[in-house]
Amino acid sequence: SQQGEEDPQALSIQEGENATMNCSYKTSINNLQWYRQNSGRGLVHLILIRSNEREKHSGRLRVTLDTSKKSSSLLITASRAADTASYFCATDNNAGNMLTFGGGTRLMVKP
Amino acid sequence: DAGVIQSPRHEVTEMGQEVTLRCKPISGHDYLFWYRQTMMRGLELLIYFNNNVPIDDSGMPEDRFSAKMPNASFSTLKIQPSEPRDSAVYFCASIHGGGHEQYFGPGTRLTVT
Repeated sequence: SQQGEEDPQALSIQEGENATMNCSYKTSINNLQWYRQNSGRGLVHLILIRSNEREKHSGRLRVTLDTSKKSSSLLITASRAADTASYFCATDNNAGNMLTFGGGTRLMVKP
Repeated sequence: DAGVIQSPRHEVTEMGQEVTLRCKPISGHDYLFWYRQTMMRGLELLIYFNNNVPIDDSGMPEDRFSAKMPNASFSTLKIQPSEPRDSAVYFCASIHGGGHEQYFGPGTRLTVT
């Protein structure tokens, strides 16, 4: 089964609104990453948060991590139509740089 | 750098045929990963290499699948014989051992009829 599970599976919002996506995982982790995938493209790394961090920012992205609840959230503020994509969380729980990806959240931002 | 390069971008083949997917990682990256993405199963890790050596192939679905990395700049994923259920998008990704961010190629969309 997948380590990370995103919620919701799909999200539709208006441009300018904030988008929040959640990820839950099952086992202890070293770090958690978020990736974006535009339709028909490969995944692109967005942000990494380590297991000893609780919050991290990068531009309009804000990621939180709660290791006690084994969950993370990705917030995209002031969304744009160009943010339309699928977003995946991925966990790294060993030293081999192997990632386990969740099922993804499909975000649609309407102009 | 050109990024991770995959070829072909699209492959349509008939059941029973051999399929070979190719990947060129980013220069200097010492980890290479092969993934398969489908609507039903999401993104699955098939196998990964470190310094050209296969480390974990537990995700390879069955003996019909094989992967090689003869040198640091080239890897292949072969399916022989192919079946319709192998239809998916296959991604290659690479990282430098000192980092965590995986760099993905554009993928190969495989259709087996």
